[in-house]
Formats: sequence, C-alpha cells, structure tokens
Amino acid sequence: GAGVSQSPSNKVTEKGKDVELRCDPISGHTALYWYRQSLGQGLEFLIYFQGNSAPDKSGLPSDRFSAERTGGSVSTLTIQRTQQEDSAVYLCASSSVSPTGELFFGEGSRLTVL
Amino acid sequence: AQSVTQLGSHVSVSEGALVLLRCNYSSSVPPYLFWYVQYPNQGLQLLLKYTSAATLVKGINGFEAEFKKSETSFHLTKPSAHMSDAAEYFCAVSEGDDMRFGAGTRLTVKP
Repeated sequence: GAGVSQSPSNKVTEKGKDVELRCDPISGHTALYWYRQSLGQGLEFLIYFQGNSAPDKSGLPSDRFSAERTGGSVSTLTIQRTQQEDSAVYLCASSSVSPTGELFFGEGSRLTVL
Repeated sequence: AQSVTQLGSHVSVSEGALVLLRCNYSSSVPPYLFWYVQYPNQGLQLLLKYTSAATLVKGINGFEAEFKKSETSFHLTKPSAHMSDAAEYFCAVSEGDDMRFGAGTRLTVKP
C-alpha cells in the first residue's frame, strides 16, 4: 500500500493475556518507530529501528514490551501479560533514511485491556 | 537525550484571532525541529519542519514557526485562526536519529 498500515485497528483483551501489534511501513523506508499515545500523555517514544542497526529500545516501559523488525520491513510490537495501564493507542511511523525526513504515521492500534 | 516541552495542554482562541502554540526544546547538538498536527479521528501529519536552513519556517494551512536558538524555542503561530484549525498539535525534536514528541497542545477555535 501507499501508507503505513497497522493491524489490528482495535484490540480488546483481558488482563494477563499477550498481544501482538503489527506495522507494515512504507516500502523503502529504513526507519521505523513505535509510539504510545495515551490521553493527556502525548506521544511516548517506545522503540526505533534504523536499517540493520541495533534498535533503540530506551523507551520501552518494562520488560513485558518487546519489538522486532523482520527483513527490514514489517515490525511486531509484543506486550506480554497485559495490564490495564497498557491501554492506549499504539502508533507506528516510518521514514526515509534522511534524519530530516518526515515521519509517516499509521492510523494506530487501539488497545483496551479489561 | 533530546526532549521538548509544550507549554499549555489546551489553548482556546476565537476565530480570526492569533494562534500561538509554545514549544521549547533541549538538545545537545543542533536539532531538527518539527510540528505535527492530528485532526479529530485522523492520523498525525507533518505541518512544518526546521532543518538548519531559514530560521522562519512556513508550513501548510498558513502556519509558521521560528527557530530561536538563544531561547531554545520553536513556537508555532498563525495570524488568523479558522474553525478547521481545531486539532491537537505536537512539537518534536530529532538529533538525527530517533524523534521525541511533546505532550501535545489541543487547540480549540470558538466561533
């Protein structure tokens, strides 16, 4: 597709379950970002992938969160043993290699943990 | 690490009035600075960016921002607000790798 694609768009899960959120970036974009958007919290940086370099995981809030990017393209954000405070919209964005490149955002995955 | 602070989580202006949304940054190197906008029920999109060229940057929909190194600021302005400007605005900073966003400012435009 032409834009960043995220799935699922909505996910409702029970506390303690694991969830996987998927991001398909724009073709050719080497940089991929995950952010979390909570009400009143803005965009919280989670993780950043750039090409084949080691990802910047400094924003992951706990060891229950992990992400991988296979083949330099699709990325999966995994949350294990979900908690109610994990409820948020998870946004993925991709960018060209230039550091001044615009981030192109997906529509987000809304996660609700009951 | 780089960071931004947006002063004011909510700003309300009357239609036709000046819009001023404040952003201050912290960076150890000359930064790249951005403003993004999120309209209701839509994804984020780029409004404008500063990449060390002209300090006054013009963006879409009549918005502009001025980079002031001495004040470490990158405030967003628009001379005359329209109802369609109602949205959430995010300031962001990059040092050339990852990008960090502020908490956002929700702009309300009153008729």
